[in-house]
Amino acid sequence: EVQLVQSRAEVKKPGESLKISCKGSGYIFTSNWIAWVRQMPGKGLEWMGIIYPGDSDTKYSPSFQGQVTISADKSINTAYLQWSSLKASDTAMYYCARQSVAGYLDFWGQGTLVTVSS
Amino acid sequence: NFMLTQPHSVSESPGKTVTISCTGDGGSIAANYVQWYQQRPGSAPITVIFEDIQRPSGVPARFSGSIDSSSNSASLTISGLRTEDEADYYCQSYDTVNWVFGGGTKLTVL
Repeated sequence: EVQLVQSRAEVKKPGESLKISCKGSGYIFTSNWIAWVRQMPGKGLEWMGIIYPGDSDTKYSPSFQGQVTISADKSINTAYLQWSSLKASDTAMYYCARQSVAGYLDFWGQGTLVTVSS
Repeated sequence: NFMLTQPHSVSESPGKTVTISCTGDGGSIAANYVQWYQQRPGSAPITVIFEDIQRPSGVPARFSGSIDSSSNSASLTISGLRTEDEADYYCQSYDTVNWVFGGGTKLTVL
């Protein structure tokens, strides 16, 4: 059974750093792209970027380029999303999702809620 | 930049049919595939339509997708509405360097 399990909710202060994770199981982790999607409170879905764990090829949305870093460690089947200096506007639910061979997001993680508040 | 516009909300009665539109702006809707995602309150999204018209396994045949080049729009049609279909629905396609989501449509089944 394909599963993406994300790290727990986080509460951080502005200016702090953070790295959240997404661990895949039940499939060959290096064979599918993993996307990150943001959902701000009460708002819609926003594509942040995507990584191919096989070779760490990464593409970013222009809206998020330079704001976050997407990475992966194929040895432990885990993708990451990280911030070096959080802002209050980073408060959101963050989802990872697997891109199927057909190109759509076929399996989603449960989401990681990030709250940034002083 | 390519953008997708959806109605903010739609409502319909159980057993009826509803259609949610997704209009492209800044490019042709037919140039790239459109996907549709359902998100129930408090849950992660799931795909209900991919590649314009395809249904993933497990998605009921009550869900169907279409493309209309003349209006530069995609549509998600749900027939035989059930209360469990009440959710937010998002269309998604691609720009040159970007995945693009519509703003979402809240479907109320009342």
